[in-house]
This record gives sequence, structure tokens and C-alpha cells, in this order.
Amino acid sequence: DVKVTQSSRYLVKRTGEKVFLECVQDMDHENMFWYRQDPGLGLRLIYFSYDVKMKEKGDIPEGYSVSREKKERFSLILESASTNQTSMYLCASSQFSGIGSNEQFFGPGTRLTVL
Amino acid sequence: GENVEQHPSTLSVQEGDSAVIKCTYSDSASNYFPWYKQELGKGPQLIIDIRSNVGEKKDQRIAVTLNKTAKHFSLHITETQPEDSAVYFCARQGYTGRRALTFGSGTRLQVQP
Repeated sequence: DVKVTQSSRYLVKRTGEKVFLECVQDMDHENMFWYRQDPGLGLRLIYFSYDVKMKEKGDIPEGYSVSREKKERFSLILESASTNQTSMYLCASSQFSGIGSNEQFFGPGTRLTVL
Repeated sequence: GENVEQHPSTLSVQEGDSAVIKCTYSDSASNYFPWYKQELGKGPQLIIDIRSNVGEKKDQRIAVTLNKTAKHFSLHITETQPEDSAVYFCARQGYTGRRALTFGSGTRLQVQP
């Protein structure tokens, strides 16, 4: 059974802290994604990666960075957490076929609260 | 650009009725249109998808229709059941540009028993 796991379901941090959100997939997928989910705004893409050490900015990359040192792991980093980064963070992975798209598999999400 | 608009934001139906959710997109290069279902406490999961060379696709009680000329696509759920209650997201992806989906804002469907 395919699986995307995220390191925490709930996280509470203080303003200014450095925050690491970890995501691991066991499907040998090339592509990995980080989204944030806010009510009424859907899923907004923060960053994605289509290969080890490769990354591309999504729609809302400001205040975030990412790291992909191994194929199965994609980390989202909040360099200095702020209250407006309180949100649900979702990680996903997919096997890109090159002919349009492929299914994205999502983790259960991390609900981050920044105080 | 690559935006997707989704309506309605909430939808309440009686069990057994049909539910329809609509999305519109603006990028003519869009060629893939998936729908995801998110149950409480879980990540979204693909339920059906359609490519631009097809006008309609069915899978049991769910169907998706695509109108490329008008740039809109819809999810149809027939004979709704309480377990259909969830948040539904439409999305699009193009054959040019980035390898990532652009999602709509979501529809919360409530099926009343």
C-alpha cells in the first residue's frame, strides 16, 4: 500500500523559531510537493521537487525553504516562523509519466500553530 | 493564468439526491483535470480524473464532464450517501509549464441522512 508519512500531526511553535516539517514516501516517486491548506483558499503550492537536490518555487514560497537530499524525503523549513504561517501543511508525491500527469498521493497533514 | 475557480463552497443534499460541483479554468494549455476527496483528518485522495481528449468519464456513482470550449469541468455524484460527505477539490495541470497541479478552493459536501 502506497504511503506518504509526515513527521508530526500537530505542532506548536513560537514566533521566530526555525521549524522543520519532514515528509517521507515509500513509492520511489520522482516528484514531491508541499502545500498549505487554509479555509476558503484550497491547497496552495509552496515548493515542489522533481529530483534529488532539485526544487522549484510554487505559488507562495515566501518565508519557506525546502531540502531534498534523498529521493524519499522532502523537508519544508520555516526559517523564522510567524503567526501567519499557522496552517495545515500537506505533503504529496507522484510518479510523473511525462504524458500529462499522475496521481498525487498525500500525507495526513501537519497542523502547525505559531504562537 | 493557471487559476481554478470552484463552486459552490458548501453543498448540502439529502441522501439519495445528486450533487454537482463545478470548476472553471483559464489556461488553454490545461490538459488534465483530477478530482480529490478529503475526509476529516486525512489528506486528499484522487477519486476520478479526466484528460482533455475526453468529454466524460464515469466510475460507478461518480462522473466528470469536461467542456474545453467553455473551459469548465464538473463532478457529478449520483445517489449520494452519508459517506460521500467530505471536502472535494478540483485541479488542473497543463502540458506546458510546471509539473504541478493547481487546485480549486474546495467544496464541503454534506449528505443529510
